[in-house]
Amino acid sequence: ILNVEQSPQSLHVQEGDSTNFTCSFPSSNFYALHWYRWETAKSPEALFVMTLNGDEKKKGRISATLNTKEGYSYLYIKGSQPEDSATYLCASYGSSNTGKLIFGQGTTLQVKP
Amino acid sequence: DAGVIQSPRHEVTEMGQEVTLRCKPISGHNSLFWYRQTMMRGLELLIYFNNNVPIDDSGMPEDRFSAKMPNASFSTLKIQPSEPRDSAVYFCASRIGAQGGQPQHFGDGTRLSIL
Repeated sequence: ILNVEQSPQSLHVQEGDSTNFTCSFPSSNFYALHWYRWETAKSPEALFVMTLNGDEKKKGRISATLNTKEGYSYLYIKGSQPEDSATYLCASYGSSNTGKLIFGQGTTLQVKP
Repeated sequence: DAGVIQSPRHEVTEMGQEVTLRCKPISGHNSLFWYRQTMMRGLELLIYFNNNVPIDDSGMPEDRFSAKMPNASFSTLKIQPSEPRDSAVYFCASRIGAQGGQPQHFGDGTRLSIL
């Protein structure tokens, strides 16, 4: 059974701080790694889909890296703002080429003004 | 473009009643997913369809749950009879393609409360 683990479970930072969190996944049969941003009372919103080892993706102040050989991805937020407060989910697949995304439990980020 | 549309947004009903949740995927998307979110288990996949065909329903909790996708623009998730432990937020998501290289687009969810 695929286990996608995220750490830390929650994070509190001050506005302006940069932060990062980790997603771990089994490196065998890797197909793709997804990151989603989930604000309270809303639905998950896709940030990145990463497929190649060494991939780096960026959207504004948020970026992500991928290491498929060792089975981890980092999400970075530079200069955190209160509007970045959300739960960040990563997800990977149970085996190659399936539709069954397995989600981690998420990292909940709270940015204090 | 319209996103994934779910209805109703909220449903409160009594134990034993039949509940039907509805989803309209984004036009042109050919994969559709039903998820359930609970505090204990997080976001868990119940069932997904490719080109209207159910591919994996191993996440469906028990026979009380059923899902259909009669055409490319509509899917239902039905619970009969409903129980209090079914109370959760149910999300529908859709995606272009049958492979995993594209992101999933989520609806706003249906918040279900079974009394």
